[in-house]
Amino acid sequence: GAGVSQTPSNKVTEKGKYVELRCDPISGHTALYWYRQSLGQGPEFLIYFQGTGAADDSGLPNDRFFAVRPEGSVSTLKIQRTERGDSAVYLCASSVQGGDPNEQFFGPGTRLTVL
Amino acid sequence: AQTVTQSQPEMSVQEAETVTLSCTYDTSENNYYLFWYKQPPSRQMILVIRQEAYKQQNATENRFSVNFQKAAKSFSLKISDSQLGDTAMYFCAFMKPLGSNYQLIWGAGTKLIIKP
Repeated sequence: GAGVSQTPSNKVTEKGKYVELRCDPISGHTALYWYRQSLGQGPEFLIYFQGTGAADDSGLPNDRFFAVRPEGSVSTLKIQRTERGDSAVYLCASSVQGGDPNEQFFGPGTRLTVL
Repeated sequence: AQTVTQSQPEMSVQEAETVTLSCTYDTSENNYYLFWYKQPPSRQMILVIRQEAYKQQNATENRFSVNFQKAAKSFSLKISDSQLGDTAMYFCAFMKPLGSNYQLIWGAGTKLIIKP
């Protein structure tokens, strides 16, 4: 595709359930970032992938959060035992490594609502 | 730790007017990058303009320009001849590469409303 895509666009779940959020980066972009944007705030960094490996996961809030990128393209953010405080927009961004790494291209985000 | 502060939660101006959005940041680093992103209701973050800290000249992109004051750690965005399509949330962001990690640190945003 032409840009970063994220699915689903919206996800409503109940407290305690498991959810998966998907990100399809721009083809050829080796760097991939996940951010979380709570209501009325700016995004916060969660995790950064370079290729298939999580190069920096220091932003993940706790061990209920996990992300993978098995083939170096699509990434999935997984949240176990969801809590109401996990409600937010989850943004994914990708960029070129070795090209212009300063420009991150963002997807439209997934709005997660935990009831 | 780096922090980014946007002190204006909301601003409103008439179409065709000029508006300036404020941003300050705190860092002990000397080399870094600063950005302004626009987020319309569609939620898609769109890069508006960026500035490399080592460049003294202020960045300009058509109607958008910045006033970068490195010593004061200030990075304001000026929008000239504002248009209805400029209505959106605007976020200031800081980037200091850590190895290959170019994560962004964000301010809380300013809601800009352009009135017809």
